[in-house]
Amino acid sequence: SQKIEQNSEALNIQEGKTATLTCNYTNYSPAYLQWYRQDPGRGPVFLLLIRENEKEKRKERLKVTFDTTLKQSLFHITASQPADSATYLCAVTGGGNKLTFGTGTQLKVEL
Amino acid sequence: EPEVTQTPSHQVTQMGQEVILRCVPISNHLYFYWYRQILGQKVEFLVSFYNNEISEKSEIFDDQFSVERPDGSNFTLKIRSTKLEDSAMYFCASSINRDSETQYFGPGTRLLVL
Repeated sequence: SQKIEQNSEALNIQEGKTATLTCNYTNYSPAYLQWYRQDPGRGPVFLLLIRENEKEKRKERLKVTFDTTLKQSLFHITASQPADSATYLCAVTGGGNKLTFGTGTQLKVEL
Repeated sequence: EPEVTQTPSHQVTQMGQEVILRCVPISNHLYFYWYRQILGQKVEFLVSFYNNEISEKSEIFDDQFSVERPDGSNFTLKIRSTKLEDSAMYFCASSINRDSETQYFGPGTRLLVL
């Protein structure tokens, strides 16, 4: 069956460090993968999209990699700040336009 | 910056009652979605809507659910006879067109069924 897996355990890091979050998928061959941010009680907010023919994509302090051989995407936040604390979701489309989300990884950036 | 808006932000209802959740998608968007998130679980797709008809729906979207675009701006989700397990956050989303990959989500409606 199709699965998208993210680390279910919360990630606690110190301010200024780089946070790295992992998304693994099975039984998908997505043309692209997306990362969203979700704050408590709020809707997901789009951050980055990476296509299957792109190895890496950057936006300000964010970097995403996409390894279609490993079936994995890594999401990095450099120089992390307490305001980056949130749950980060990866999502793929398995066909059509519907997004299938992972469970998300909660990131907490401490002073 | 244009946003998807949803009303109400919270809704409490009795089991068996009908509820209508409302959404105003971004004005030039043509593709609309409903997702739900049960507390502590992942965001799940319910239905997509394009050109005044359902484009795709999930197994969750059974006969108790319906969607409508009653006018040029609103997009609604109706649950005919609510069950306890319908308690969740319901998110509306929209995208520019069917080929657009990015979806923009509203703030959600928290539905509690007692």
